[in-house]
Amino acid sequence: DQQVKQNSPSLSVQEGRISILNCDYTNSMFDYFLWYKKYPAEGPTFLISISSIKDKNEDGRFTVFLNKSAKHLSLHIVPSQPGDSAVYFCAARGGSNYKLTFGKGTLLTVNP
Amino acid sequence: NAGVMQNPRHLVRRRGQEARLRCSPMKGHSHVYWYRQLPEEGLKFMVYLQKENIIDESGMPKERFSAEFPKEGPSILRIQQVVRGDSAAYFCASLRSEVAEAFFGQGTRLTVV
Repeated sequence: DQQVKQNSPSLSVQEGRISILNCDYTNSMFDYFLWYKKYPAEGPTFLISISSIKDKNEDGRFTVFLNKSAKHLSLHIVPSQPGDSAVYFCAARGGSNYKLTFGKGTLLTVNP
Repeated sequence: NAGVMQNPRHLVRRRGQEARLRCSPMKGHSHVYWYRQLPEEGLKFMVYLQKENIIDESGMPKERFSAEFPKEGPSILRIQQVVRGDSAAYFCASLRSEVAEAFFGQGTRLTVV
């Protein structure tokens, strides 16, 4: 039972354009969401998070949007840079369960 | 301010040996997660610990795997009698509290030969 889904295994974007990575969840108890970036042979790096009391959080080039009614969140990267090329993981946590549940990741490739 | 430190980075074990993976959390962090990533798969939760307590071990295999986070020293993930299927990247993450962001280490890549 996959509670956090990233349905696009990969995404290719031109440098300077917007990258939009999507994530859906099924567990209505989730109330905190995080995005991580991961390069090969390295650990995930925390990017940005959002609490369910908000619908948007912005940090520099990264913005996360949360649509609770649709159980959907997205990460926007503007403008995209070649160094953003990595696997992006969506994660969620909530209720009495403090473990982070991860999606399977989306490989973002930003072409120069 | 040092990040989460995991060692060793690479570990090779023969089938039947024991593997010990260490994780030193960030300063001031008293909570630790362990995750496993198999090739071509995402991050799978194994165990969540606070100092001297196991909070959630629902992702840990019932046999051969154990974890601890003592009052002093690093968190240890221990795998006894390793098998080829244990080959994976094992990541540790630490948090200041159960509602904070989790910061990951570089991982330990275990290869069982």
